[in-house]
Amino acid sequence: SQQGEEDPQALSIQEGENATMNCSYKTSINNLQWYRQNSGRGLVHLILIRSNEREKHSGRLRVTLDTSKKSSSLLITASRAADTASYFCATRAGNMLTFGGGTRLMVKP
Amino acid sequence: DGGITQSPKYLFRKEGQNVTLSCEQNLNHDAMYWYRQDPGQGLRLIYYSQIVNDFQKGDIAEGYSVSREKKESFPLTVTSAQKNPTAFYLCASSTLSSKEQFFGPGTRLTVL
Repeated sequence: SQQGEEDPQALSIQEGENATMNCSYKTSINNLQWYRQNSGRGLVHLILIRSNEREKHSGRLRVTLDTSKKSSSLLITASRAADTASYFCATRAGNMLTFGGGTRLMVKP
Repeated sequence: DGGITQSPKYLFRKEGQNVTLSCEQNLNHDAMYWYRQDPGQGLRLIYYSQIVNDFQKGDIAEGYSVSREKKESFPLTVTSAQKNPTAFYLCASSTLSSKEQFFGPGTRLTVL
């Protein structure tokens, strides 16, 4: 079963706009990670937020975590066509990662 | 050139055949993982290994087998017992202390 569920499943925006993706999960976690996947490729780690952190930034990425609501959001600011990809949240409890179903982001030039 | 490699990129199998997917890493990572991804879906864990000669089942291990004879290698065999094997298979590795996993490029398996 999937621990994380992303929302929306698909998102289409214009270049320059911001993209927000949400992730909800069910059980207690050690950390939550966001990964990116270009079509037909492997996943690339973007950012990790620990369970005792509330917000984290990395370049144009901003991640928030609300453990009381068991939810996280990924914000990509000033999007570019090259940001077109699927984005997955993954929660870690113990030794394993559990991935959500992903948000497919399309950024139109 | 460090990284994690998977071969082949594309694999076609007839029903009833076993096939083995290769995963090799030169990152000196202790842990390795196999995931299955169906179209438009997330990843589901098949097997993982944290040390040579030891591995654990993930969420969907039925119909699959693995071995970990060397630290660098974690091959996955898709057996004829796997009823719906057509999928994209991803291998990953990590250190035991790291929370981040590094992924290979994937193998797309199609059953004819």
